[in-house]
Amino acid sequence: DAKTTQPNSMESNEEEPVHLPCNHSTISGTDYIHWYRQLPSQGPEYVIHGLTSNVNNRMASLAIAEDRKSSTLILHRATLRDAAVYYCILRRYGGSQGNLIFGKGTKLSVKP
Amino acid sequence: EAEVAQSPRYKITEKSQAVAFWCDPISGHATLYWYRQILGQGPELLVQFQDESVVDDSQLPKDRFSAERLKGVDSTLKIQPAELGDSAMYLCASSRLTSGASTDTQYFGPGTRLTVL
Repeated sequence: DAKTTQPNSMESNEEEPVHLPCNHSTISGTDYIHWYRQLPSQGPEYVIHGLTSNVNNRMASLAIAEDRKSSTLILHRATLRDAAVYYCILRRYGGSQGNLIFGKGTKLSVKP
Repeated sequence: EAEVAQSPRYKITEKSQAVAFWCDPISGHATLYWYRQILGQGPELLVQFQDESVVDDSQLPKDRFSAERLKGVDSTLKIQPAELGDSAMYLCASSRLTSGASTDTQYFGPGTRLTVL
């Protein structure tokens, strides 16, 4: 599976937008970009995923570069509850494995 | 909203003892995963089930770990004997579709925090 690179940590102020970057320069054409997050003392939870086009849902937006070598998870207005570790994960379409391959992720801190 | 249930939430045991963790996935979910998460790192897959069959247990230390999902519903992960290095969070996840579905969402339980003394 292709590898992703994320900053170890980021800080944000409450009610401000947050842009969490992810580099995946070896992504293949059939790799989907998934984001999960893990709140303190909880299991990971799904945030969003996309292939080529930008995606929006009630939690966040996903902006994918035209060459797909990078992507950005956007939280439009950070709240204290958004403080978590965010994982950017690539999953291959039609792959034999269903498991998620997690890196270390980005630890997001939100200041009031 | 349906959730993945795990028990116990916390377990403290002594080295060389046996421990067992239980997971009840979301109803109707065919695929079940056990992950281990060491503090400060992301979760790593231990074993993956498709219904009652093991799909991938390549990262499961089979000399001491075992997992089963006898009726294709709930699952048990066992460690015998426990070692100090087994201290970690053990996470269970389930997904609706069969293995290999790249867009299938995984739903995680709250995990079991194991401490081996």
